[in-house]
Amino acid sequence: EAEVAQSPRYKITEKSQAVAFWCDPISGHATLYWYRQILGQGPELLVQFQDESVVDDSQLPKDRFSAERLKGVDSTLKIQPAELGDSAMYLCASSQDTYQETQYFGPGTRLLVL
Amino acid sequence: AQSVAQPEDQVNVAEGNPLTVKCTYSVSGNPYLFWYVQYPNRGLQFLLKYITGDNLVKGSYGFEAEFNKSQTSFHLKKPTALVSDSALYFCAVGAGGYNKLIFGAGTRLAVHP
Repeated sequence: EAEVAQSPRYKITEKSQAVAFWCDPISGHATLYWYRQILGQGPELLVQFQDESVVDDSQLPKDRFSAERLKGVDSTLKIQPAELGDSAMYLCASSQDTYQETQYFGPGTRLLVL
Repeated sequence: AQSVAQPEDQVNVAEGNPLTVKCTYSVSGNPYLFWYVQYPNRGLQFLLKYITGDNLVKGSYGFEAEFNKSQTSFHLKKPTALVSDSALYFCAVGAGGYNKLIFGAGTRLAVHP
């Protein structure tokens, strides 16, 4: 069964450092999503790609967060500089397209900022 | 604005009994709704979804959900709970053209032997 891959699974960093997360969606899925899940809350969408284009980044803190999906396949989410409040689970999901499609999630990257 | 409410932080059920995890939503237009389950330190696993048609939706692992438009609810149910069902359950609603999902805060299900 095809799955969404993410790495690393865990990341510990100090504040003001840069961190990067990688996601490889299910093969053939055109739409890729990055979510942030703070402990005790539901996931919140940070950015959504359709192929290589961003279609929604309204909740992405653009002063410190950036995301790219250069060839429309895998994607990288970067935080620079990291802040204590960025400690969370970062989830990647993909779907075949955008219209009422099921999103399939990867295992996530748990980030701890010290 | 779209929103999802899961009114119970935790639901406790004895193994073998039926379970219900509640979800209500608010959305303009016709909603599509999902249930996901999350085990510790894992991503979300898809259980089921409602788009249109039969109000009773059957999903993975024996779960089902009932869509009620008049009450704007989409409660998750299972006739016989298992200890292995213990996990965090999320309801999500989508609307609009870009498949954006709004998630509830989650309900922790604890099934006791």
